[in-house]
Order: sequence, then C-alpha cells, then structure tokens
Amino acid sequence: EVQLLESGGGLVQPGGSLRLSCAASGFTFSSHAMSWVRQAPGKGLEWVSAIFNSGGRTYYADSVKGRFTISRDNSQSTLYLQMHSLRAEDTAVYYCAKPLRATDHYFGMDVWGQGTTLTVSS
Amino acid sequence: DIQMTQSPSSVSASVGDRVTITCRASQDISTWLAWYQQKPGKAPKLLIYAASSLQSGVPSRFSGSGSGTDFTLTISSLQPEDSASYYCQQGNSFPITFGQGTRLEIK
Repeated sequence: EVQLLESGGGLVQPGGSLRLSCAASGFTFSSHAMSWVRQAPGKGLEWVSAIFNSGGRTYYADSVKGRFTISRDNSQSTLYLQMHSLRAEDTAVYYCAKPLRATDHYFGMDVWGQGTTLTVSS
Repeated sequence: DIQMTQSPSSVSASVGDRVTITCRASQDISTWLAWYQQKPGKAPKLLIYAASSLQSGVPSRFSGSGSGTDFTLTISSLQPEDSASYYCQQGNSFPITFGQGTRLEIK
C-alpha cells in the first residue's frame, strides 16, 4: 500500500524554526517528485514547495521562499521541510503529497499524507 | 503566477441533482488541470486529472471537461457522500496553484 506519513508538527513561537518529515512507503520514492501543501484553519489548499527526484530541482511558493527549504533522503524514503522565521500566517495543516506521474506535477497529486499541524503563536 | 478562480464558492443541491463547478485559469494551461474532493478533517482526494481523466476508483458520476482556461467538474447524480469541498489545481507551471474551493452541501 502506498503511504505517506508526516510528523514534526507542533507549537512554535513566531520567529522560530521547525522541521517536518514525511516517511514514504509502497512506491519507489527515489523516482518520484514530491510536494508539500498546506491548509490554514478554515481556508483552502496552498501549495508550498516541490522537489524533483534527485533533489536537484526545487520550487517554492513566494510566501515561503527564503524561509523554507525542501529536501529529501532517498535512502530513507523521507521528505523534509525545514522552516525558519515562522509567522502566525504559517499556521496550518501541512500535507506531503505524491504526484500521479513520477517525473512532473502535470497530472496532480494522487497520494496524500494525513497531515501534521503547525501552530505559530506566542 | 497562474490564478485559478472557482465558482460558485458554495452550492446546495439535492440527491440525484446534476451539479457543475467551474474553474477558470488566468492563462492557458492546456489540459493540465486536476480536481480534488476534500471532506472535513481529511486529506484531499484526487478525482480528475488532465482535465477529463477519471482517477482510478472514483465513481463514474464524476466527470471533467475543458481546456485552455475554462474547465468544469460535473457530478451527474448527486449522492449524500458527495458533500465536501472541491478544489481545482493547475499543474502547468510552478508555482502550482489551487482554486479557492467550492463547498457542496446536500439539501
């Protein structure tokens, strides 16, 4: 069974840092691009970041560029999101998601984790 | 960035009704459009990819159409379990963007 399991969420003060993890299983993780998508309380979906299979290509939403870093460890089938300079508006459920097609995001994302919650508050 | 605009923002319909949700892209995205269903407290579920291709396991009452800038998601005969929020998403270029969502309520 294809699964994604996020972890690492929690309560952080404004300006703080946190790293989210996403453990993948049931598919060839090293062949797949991956994304992080977030959803603020009561709001819609917001794509955050993507990384291609080798890790050499990364993309970010303007709202997180320069503060968040996406990375992956293909030997551990794990995706990461390192977050710095956190703001109240980063409060959200963070999902990792696998695109339907391994090499791009044209076809959308067919597998999602259950999400991990980040709360940024003093 | 490509802006995705959905309408309506909410809709209420009865079991058996036909429901259509529209999504407009701010520029040509060919057919690189996906539709998702999301129920409260759950992760999104991919329904349609490449504008009109039904994802495996999704009931055939769901269908998608469109190309370029205008797209539609149609539920041909609404069922109680279709109560959810629906989102379109363009995969044509980064940054990936979602529509603001449509909340579907069953009367």
